[in-house]
Amino acid sequence: QKEVEQNSGPLSVPEGAIASLNCTYSDRVSQSFFWYRQYSGKSPELIMSIYSNGDKEDGRFTAQLNKASQYVSLLIRDSQPSDSATYLCAVNTGNQFYFGTGTSLTVIP
Amino acid sequence: DAGVIQSPRHEVTEMGQEVTLRCKPISGHNSLFWYRQTMMRGLELLIYFNNNVPIDDSGMPEDRFSAKMPNASFSTLKIQPSEPRDSAVYFCASSFDATGETQYFGPGTRLLVL
Repeated sequence: QKEVEQNSGPLSVPEGAIASLNCTYSDRVSQSFFWYRQYSGKSPELIMSIYSNGDKEDGRFTAQLNKASQYVSLLIRDSQPSDSATYLCAVNTGNQFYFGTGTSLTVIP
Repeated sequence: DAGVIQSPRHEVTEMGQEVTLRCKPISGHNSLFWYRQTMMRGLELLIYFNNNVPIDDSGMPEDRFSAKMPNASFSTLKIQPSEPRDSAVYFCASSFDATGETQYFGPGTRLLVL
């Protein structure tokens, strides 16, 4: 079992819709959780971090964490074509960083 | 700030050759990370340094890989001898804090081993 699992997609949503990206992790002692965005041919960039159960909102982005279910999600409201990218979920267990393989998102104008 | 700088940006080499990848972290950052990204395995942490000291190299795939950080502004990742399965994009990232909570990635080095 991989440390971090993501649905590779591709996920397609129409412009203006809500995109929902999901991630599960295996190590219960994981302490912090991150979402990175990676455009094709570019490097990952951090867009959200979350450390405690519940929701965290930043502009059009909302990260959700459920430690009991070992589940992290990212919601993108009012999706824009510029949101089209691969979204990587990352987990810090305190000793190691693990990334998922990413979910490819396409926002259709 | 120039961000994390990596060189070369592209490298094509033949199997068996030595490859050296270079990284300059953001000035003032204390932690440096080396990652490898492939389609099959995604982004994998190879090794990370804090204050120039290697903290965890458990991700280094085998003895052919080695990494050094002789000072706060420079790190190298060396593969000797290289093999076709080493073909990947290698990223360097740096972070201000020891936990690496906010990592800034360099542009990556695209390595192709023939």
